[in-house]
Formats: sequence, structure tokens, C-alpha cells
Amino acid sequence: GQQLNQSPQSMFIQEGEDVSMNCTSSSIFNTWLWYKQDPGEGPVLLIALYKAGELTSNGRLTAQFGTTRKDSFLNISASIPSDVGIYFCAGQYGNKLVFGAGTILRVKS
Amino acid sequence: EAQVTQNPRYLITVTGKKLTVTCSQNMNHEYMSWYRQDPGLGLRQIYYSMNVEVTDKGDVPEGYKVSRKEKRNFPLILESPSPNQTSLYFCASSPRGGHYEQYFGPGTRLTVT
Repeated sequence: GQQLNQSPQSMFIQEGEDVSMNCTSSSIFNTWLWYKQDPGEGPVLLIALYKAGELTSNGRLTAQFGTTRKDSFLNISASIPSDVGIYFCAGQYGNKLVFGAGTILRVKS
Repeated sequence: EAQVTQNPRYLITVTGKKLTVTCSQNMNHEYMSWYRQDPGLGLRQIYYSMNVEVTDKGDVPEGYKVSRKEKRNFPLILESPSPNQTSLYFCASSPRGGHYEQYFGPGTRLTVT
């Protein structure tokens, strides 16, 4: 089936730094979604991207839908301690959703 | 409050003992889905349902069954659980399939010994 390669696997950054993570695939997706998961909870949607080339912001978060429809990135500006968690990219094709393995974000205050 | 609920949240069982994990949503969503989450693998889709009485396999359906008799409920059934089904399970729903973002429940941690 479809696979997403998400990188980096984990990050340990200083509070106030900018963060960047991305997902790539050999397959084309119709929609890209970025989720965050806190410990003991389900993933929560951060940003949804529907068109190739689309750039969307949600507060300190910015994500882009790659022009080839095979990749997406997420940037977090000026990280704060509550940004800690696991970030997942997800690509939608047809009626299915496939997830990357996640990026674990740890912030040093 | 709009939400997806799952029960139970935690379950420890033995190999071969049939179990059901319930999922319910109060948003009148047509689309519902089940995922399992394992370390290093992200979330993998087990089954999904486009609407009442319409279900289809995801990427890892073996060993699982689902049913969609009502719009709000989408139970996950393990007829004969095995240890390799020990995992964290999430139910999700969205207004429709396709280009609509999915909303997740809180998860059910299942251990099969």
C-alpha cells in the first residue's frame, strides 16, 4: 500500500527555536493532514491541505502541500514547552488515510 | 460537546476470548474508521465505513471485524484475539470520506496475553 516517510524521527530543541519536519512519498495524495498527539490522547488535527502548492498557517504553525502532491512539510515557529508531543503527517487518497511514523518533539525550556 | 467516544479505554484479555471495542460519535458523521497504533509504525487503518451498512478493508484488516448498523456507532470486533493484536486502537470519524479531515477518539489500549 501507500507509504509515507516522515523525518526526522525525533527532535530535541531549545525553547524559542523554529522546527521543521516533512513527509515524502512515492505516491500522489489528494489531501495532506498534520496531526499532533499528546500522551494518552488521540491525534488532534492541526492543519489540513487540499491543493498542490497550498500554504496554510494556524498560529505559529505553517504547512505546505508539495507541488508534486507527493510531499508536505510542517514548520513551528518560536517553539514553547507545550509543543512537546508526536506530530504525524497523513495523506489521503480515495477514502483511505495513511500516516507517517511520526516525529517526536521534545523541547528544552 | 462534539466528540468521538470509545469503550473501554483499557482492556487486558487472553488469547482467543472474543471482545468488542465500541465507538460512538455525536456529530452525525457519515464516515468512520478504525486504526491501530504501534511504536515506529504510526497509525494504520484497519477498516472504514462510508455510511450505514457500508464497510471496507483498510491496510491491516486481518483478525478484525466491524459493523455499521447505525450511523453513530462503529464497533470493532476481535473474534479470536492474539498477542500480535496488542496495540493502541483509535476510532475516527469525518463528515464524509475523501477530502474531509478525521476526528479521533481517545484510544483503547488492548493487551492480549
